[in-house]
Amino acid sequence: AQTVTQSQPEMSVQEAETVTLSCTYDTSENNYYLFWYKQPPSRQMILVIRQEAYKQQNATENRFSVNFQKAAKSFSLKISDSQLGDTAMYFCAIPTSVNYGGSQGNLIFGKGTKLSVKP
Amino acid sequence: GAGVSQSPSNKVTEKGKDVELRCDPISGHTALYWYRQSLGQGLEFLIYFQGNSAPDKSGLPSDRFSAERTGGSVSTLTIQRTQQEDSAVYLCASSLGPNSDTQYFGPGTRLTVL
Repeated sequence: AQTVTQSQPEMSVQEAETVTLSCTYDTSENNYYLFWYKQPPSRQMILVIRQEAYKQQNATENRFSVNFQKAAKSFSLKISDSQLGDTAMYFCAIPTSVNYGGSQGNLIFGKGTKLSVKP
Repeated sequence: GAGVSQSPSNKVTEKGKDVELRCDPISGHTALYWYRQSLGQGLEFLIYFQGNSAPDKSGLPSDRFSAERTGGSVSTLTIQRTQQEDSAVYLCASSLGPNSDTQYFGPGTRLTVL
């Protein structure tokens, strides 16, 4: 069964600094996507970034980038130039299966990392 | 375009009562998911609808929980005889469908069972 582990329950960073959130996972699939979602106090889950496992190049979205190590099954999120609005819970997630019923099935989430950005 | 919507935003009920939670997915999305998030926890999968296929109910915690999706669009999650442990945020997500990947979430319904 797939598992997702986020080993940092809480982290804090000073505004404008860089922070890295870690995530490790286990899956028997070969081609899959990996996701980072952000959940601010409003509780809306917002997609931050996604990575396709068959791509060697790490995904980037503005200040957000990932360090994807497929062999190590590691998928960390780096936030550069942290802003107060980045304060939120961050969840790493992988799908249960590939092409299950035409889509990728439900997501398995880690327990999350609570990130606080301090002024 | 419009995102995933859920109603009500908050629901307070008494133990033993039935509740219905509604999800309106993004137009054109064929896949719909329900998750539950207990206080301070990650998301727990409940049920998954894909097009006209039989739903994957493997995540439903008990037979008090059921869900339907009418016309391949709106979905209703029903919890019968609610218990205090059912208190949580119920999140709905949708994705485009075949060979798609990204799930888009609604704002959730916070259920409180007294």
